[in-house]
Amino acid sequence: DAGVTQSPTHLIKTRGQQVTLRCSPKSGHDTVSWYQQALGQGPQFIFQYYEEEERQRGNFPDRFSGHQFPNYSSELNVNALLLGDSALYLCASRPKRFWNTEAFFGQGTRLTVV
Amino acid sequence: AQKVTQAQTEISVVEKEDVTLDCVYETRDTTYYLFWYKQPPSGELVFLIRRNSFDEQNEISGRYSWNFQKSTSSFNFTITASQVVDSAVYFCALSEASGGSYIPTFGRGTSLIVHP
Repeated sequence: DAGVTQSPTHLIKTRGQQVTLRCSPKSGHDTVSWYQQALGQGPQFIFQYYEEEERQRGNFPDRFSGHQFPNYSSELNVNALLLGDSALYLCASRPKRFWNTEAFFGQGTRLTVV
Repeated sequence: AQKVTQAQTEISVVEKEDVTLDCVYETRDTTYYLFWYKQPPSGELVFLIRRNSFDEQNEISGRYSWNFQKSTSSFNFTITASQVVDSAVYFCALSEASGGSYIPTFGRGTSLIVHP
């Protein structure tokens, strides 16, 4: 049973560019969340998707957007990259009917903006 | 608003020592959930334990134990007889039931270094 998988593992982008990160949830999970983890910090919630719509959003600007596909996989898009967007981006999944349970995390995508 | 404080930034111990990681939380909800996650250098957050606000029974699982005290809003985690493989960053998290979304808020983490 594959867990949460994310791609790519590492990415280097130039300031001002756009980036797309991908996530496949754990089998049986239909809800996907994205987190940004800056160096030395805890994960910060970006947004959560289920039924192909953004349902909850954290305190992040509109440059951060996402998408969920019918197979529950998800993308995180960041436009007009800033140096401060450099971080580990984590994807997590849960089954919607068990939201009070723990989330399963992927290994993350390390984004470096230069 | 929910808040999680992990006051210990880094803890360094020698193998076989016991170590306790502290977590203090703030919430106005009466129904909430507390979690501990481990993050090894690979980056993936590994779930360790979940506790709901109505279950203050403390738990022991192998070398791990957890002490949940609502009176002090604390949810501490102890590793007995630490091993080098325990070296990682440990995060405490809180999710509130209000709104139904259960989005967890994480602390800043405690880096545990276990020396051989």
